[in-house]
Amino acid sequence: AQSVTQPDIHITVSEGASLELRCNYSYGATPYLFWYVQSPGQGLQLLLKYFSGDTLVQGIKGFEAEFKRSQSSFNLRKPSVHWSDAAEYFCAVGPNQAGTALIFGKGTTLSVSS
Amino acid sequence: EAEVAQSPRYKITEKSQAVAFWCDPISGHATLYWYRQILGQGPELLVQFQDESVVDDSQLPKDRFSAERLKGVDSTLKIQPAELGDSAMYLCASSRDGGHNSPLHFGNGTRLTVT
Repeated sequence: AQSVTQPDIHITVSEGASLELRCNYSYGATPYLFWYVQSPGQGLQLLLKYFSGDTLVQGIKGFEAEFKRSQSSFNLRKPSVHWSDAAEYFCAVGPNQAGTALIFGKGTTLSVSS
Repeated sequence: EAEVAQSPRYKITEKSQAVAFWCDPISGHATLYWYRQILGQGPELLVQFQDESVVDDSQLPKDRFSAERLKGVDSTLKIQPAELGDSAMYLCASSRDGGHNSPLHFGNGTRLTVT
């Protein structure tokens, strides 16, 4: 069965420091991969997505993610974190069939310290 | 930018009562999803519509939950009777056609508390 694992429940990073949030997926074929961000009490906003091609994808707000097939991973990175990045981050996998809904991981809460 | 509208934002209800949530997707979006997000968890799909038809309701607890999208536009999710374990955020999302080249747009959700 398809699944997404985000090993880190909560991460604290100093403002200005670099960030990496981990995501591992389980899927038999090449999946479509997504990162979403959720601020408290809000819906989810798409940060970036990977379908095919270049394994390093750029997203909004300065985020990027790298697809590594050999490790079944799709880690999210940002070189310098801002206080406004504090939120919950969700990795999701979408089977490459149109009309099939996304499967989300349990999320990683990011806190930013000054 | 167009948004997915959900109401109410917050709902408190007693167990065994009925409750309903409403979602208005972005205009022209054929695919509509209802997700449930328990505190500290990721969203889990309850039901997916393509226009007015249900595509996937395999995770919808059909003994108490129902969902409809009669004219293929807005949608209602109902719970009757509500149970304590139903306390969660209920998120509606829409996409242009359900394909992965048309990303999901989420509403701000309805926070349900069952007492």
